[in-house]
Amino acid sequence: QLQLQESGPGLVKPSETLSLTCTVSGGSISSSSYYWGWIRQPPGKGLEWIGSINYSGSTYYNPSLKRRLTVSVDTSKNQFSLKLNSVTAADTAVYYCASIAARRIVDYWGQGTLVTVSS
Amino acid sequence: QLVLTQSPSASASLGASVKLTCTLTSGHNNYAIAWHQQQPGKGPRYLMKVNSDGSHSKGDGIPDRFSGSSSGAERYLTISSLQSDDEADYYCQTWGTGLWVFGGGTKLTVL
Repeated sequence: QLQLQESGPGLVKPSETLSLTCTVSGGSISSSSYYWGWIRQPPGKGLEWIGSINYSGSTYYNPSLKRRLTVSVDTSKNQFSLKLNSVTAADTAVYYCASIAARRIVDYWGQGTLVTVSS
Repeated sequence: QLVLTQSPSASASLGASVKLTCTLTSGHNNYAIAWHQQQPGKGPRYLMKVNSDGSHSKGDGIPDRFSGSSSGAERYLTISSLQSDDEADYYCQTWGTGLWVFGGGTKLTVL
């Protein structure tokens, strides 16, 4: 069973870059059966897909975030990462990493990490 | 445009059954979806995939009380023998070419 764990700063200043890493255990990030995704949830609101990547670095981004977003993968560490630049208060959210089976179903979730954008 | 529509809220009594609905936008009737449960203060958990033919496959450890079905553009999650810890937000999710989409969620209250 896959396990995913987010890590990174819980507080980011406006206009700076939000950086998070997801460590995958219980399976290989190099599996061709999976994509790996980032999803966020602003306080009191619903889920928003941010972006996804596979083991070879093929990425898909939410068009509304594409201009500010980079998702990368490090197969040697079984990790994938998120960088969102020029953040504002609207980027305050719980950020989840997740596995996406067969490029379709989000089947395992990390526990989530709250990132607050504030000076 | 691929959009999933869910009612914001639903309620049912302890021990009863409830059927939650997720509606796909026109032209996407053949799409499968996934259901996810988010209990208060917790992260989401994958429940099951529901195909357009009504077949479904559940995630690890999901009880038999949870089942899925389909009709046209609608995908359903039925929870029987409702328990207090079924009170949660339920999200549907699907995918298209290079994107993944979530519904707005349904908040289920167990009375």
